[in-house]
Amino acid sequence: DAGITQSPRHKVTETGTPVTLRCHQTENHRYMYWYRQDPGHGLRLIHYSYGVKDTDKGEVSDGYSVSRSKTEDFLLTLESATSSQTSVYFCAISERRVGSTNEKLFFGSGTQLSVL
Amino acid sequence: DAKTTQPNSMESNEEEPVHLPCNHSTISGTDYIHWYRQLPSQGPEYVIHGLTSNVNNRMASLAIAEDRKSSTLILHRATLRDAAVYYCMDNAGNMLTFGGGTRLMVKP
Repeated sequence: DAGITQSPRHKVTETGTPVTLRCHQTENHRYMYWYRQDPGHGLRLIHYSYGVKDTDKGEVSDGYSVSRSKTEDFLLTLESATSSQTSVYFCAISERRVGSTNEKLFFGSGTQLSVL
Repeated sequence: DAKTTQPNSMESNEEEPVHLPCNHSTISGTDYIHWYRQLPSQGPEYVIHGLTSNVNNRMASLAIAEDRKSSTLILHRATLRDAAVYYCMDNAGNMLTFGGGTRLMVKP
């Protein structure tokens, strides 16, 4: 299994509070991704990173920010959590960009976030 | 808008073949088609991917239509352990786009 650790595994927070989720990898892969998973929507890309301090927006980036100061860590921050951000969040990694190359994604185990 | 679509659910009998379809209506000619599966309370795991021709590995086979607008994941002999949600994915609109997932139920 790819060395991907997401923390925390579960979190309950209140509307309006800041929340940071962490993804840590031991594979030294260049690309890291944050997805959210909701019933009826499958997996949707929030943000991704293609190197240290290099990030870009995904399909559903509003209300989220990310940072990558080290190759191994990719942080997802909800500056002011809302109930619509209640979801399961998955981190994924890949050695090269997935899609137009012969590369694949490896996923973490997920973080269940509940915003009350 | 990018459209990657799958049926919500399918059912199969144990030890019979299963064909899971996916439509890739906005895929480009150079984007790979991927399939992942997700067991309960776990993250998605890679199953198979391909570009133009059919692909086989120890888990499954992938059949890609000639116009690449559709693909089919083939499980040759379904087992109870294959019960999961299966996702297809492509890079439509230069954005990694997953289908909504097909929940496969396997009956003994």
